[in-house]
Amino acid sequence: GIQVEQSPPDLILQEGANSTLRCNFSDSVNNLQWFHQNPWGQLINLFYIPSGTKQNGRLSATTVATERYSLLYISSSQTTDSGVYFCAGQYGNKLVFGAGTILRVKS
Amino acid sequence: NAGVTQTPKFRILKIGQSMTLQCTQDMNHNYMYWYRQDPGMGLKLIYYSVGAGITDKGEVPNGYNVSRSTTEDFPLRLELAAPSQTSVYFCASRQDILYGYTFGSGTRLTVV
Repeated sequence: GIQVEQSPPDLILQEGANSTLRCNFSDSVNNLQWFHQNPWGQLINLFYIPSGTKQNGRLSATTVATERYSLLYISSSQTTDSGVYFCAGQYGNKLVFGAGTILRVKS
Repeated sequence: NAGVTQTPKFRILKIGQSMTLQCTQDMNHNYMYWYRQDPGMGLKLIYYSVGAGITDKGEVPNGYNVSRSTTEDFPLRLELAAPSQTSVYFCASRQDILYGYTFGSGTRLTVV
C-alpha cells in the first residue's frame, strides 16, 4: 500500500542540540519533500529532495531513494525550529503526507 | 509575487450553510490542490487540478466541490456544512510533477 512513515513522533531538544528525523516511504511513493509547520500553522517548504543531499543553513536533507528513506538533519537547534515536521511523497498526481514529528526546542 | 493566497483566514459556519474558500496563485502553476488538516493529523487531499478545466477527486472529496476556470484560481465549495468539516484547509500549487509544492497560509473553518 501507500505508506509514508515518520519517526520519532515526538522530540524534545535543548537549544543548541542536533537532531535527525527519519521518513520511510513505500515503493509507489517518490519525489520526497520536507515541510515545517510552525506553531501558527503555516506550512513552509524546506526541501524538495527526490534523491541525494541538500543543505540550507542549519538544515540538511538526504534521500536514498533505492532504500526508500529520507533524513532531515537539524543542527544547533533554536526555539524557532519548534513545530511539526512533515515529509510527503508523490503518489501519482497526489502528495501523501506522513503523520509528522512534533519538535519542541527548549531554551 | 504573492505565491498562493487563500481567503478567508478564519470562518465560522452554521450547520447547513454554504461557503466558498478562495485560492489564487500568481506563479502560472498548472497543478493546484486542496488539502484539509484535522487537529494533530497530517494533510489529506480533497481535490486537485492538473490544469484549467480539469479537476479530480482526492482521498476525502465528499461534501466538497471545486472548479478550475482559470490557471490562477481554484475555489473550494462547501454546500451543506457539517461539523465533520471543521478543519484547517490548505491550498497548494506546483509547476509540474518535477517540482515541489507551495502552500497557502490556510483557512481555519469551524462548523457549529
